[in-house]
Amino acid sequence: AQKVTQAQTEISVVEKEDVTLDCVYETRDTTYYLFWYKQPPSGELVFLIRRNSFDEQNEISGRYSWNFQKSTSSFNFTITASQVVDSAVYFCALSVTMEYGNKLVFGAGTILRVKS
Amino acid sequence: DAGVTQSPTHLIKTRGQQVTLRCSPKSGHDTVSWYQQALGQGPQFIFQYYEEEERQRGNFPDRFSGHQFPNYSSELNVNALLLGDSALYLCASNPGLAGLTDTQYFGPGTRLTVL
Repeated sequence: AQKVTQAQTEISVVEKEDVTLDCVYETRDTTYYLFWYKQPPSGELVFLIRRNSFDEQNEISGRYSWNFQKSTSSFNFTITASQVVDSAVYFCALSVTMEYGNKLVFGAGTILRVKS
Repeated sequence: DAGVTQSPTHLIKTRGQQVTLRCSPKSGHDTVSWYQQALGQGPQFIFQYYEEEERQRGNFPDRFSGHQFPNYSSELNVNALLLGDSALYLCASNPGLAGLTDTQYFGPGTRLTVL
């Protein structure tokens, strides 16, 4: 089965704390892509990052970093020194091959609340 | 460079009615996908359009149908609305027939409420 699990339903932190959002995936494909999207209250899904199954190097972008571990089928997302503007729902997604093209399979999302 | 746009922003319908939602893809993109996001859940894939044809379909009934126009914009139609159709409907676009490497960019969504 092609599946994404985000076990943390909601996380609350105080501003400047570091926070890690967990993502575990299942796929039968040998080549696949993983994504993280942010959904602020406005509703639009904002693309954050894409990683392919052959690249296990960690990635850092400003206060954001991602840890991809194929051995544990995990693709975790860490926000360093969190800010109130980081408050949103975060989705992890897996790109699934179809007969034509691909689709995204999303986890249930993690609500992040950053308090000042 | 305009991103993905959707209309209307909000919509209220009653059970049994029909609804049409609209989407314009990001400039340079010709593939449009539709997703349904129920409250508190992740988006679920409905279908994907490329070259004015439905290329892929998720696990949704035939009450859900769509169309893609020559300018790549798309419509999602839902007939015989049920209370369970209340959700945020998201449109996403990407260039070419969506491959594994392609990132889908999303619009702001249409919030549909069925009473």
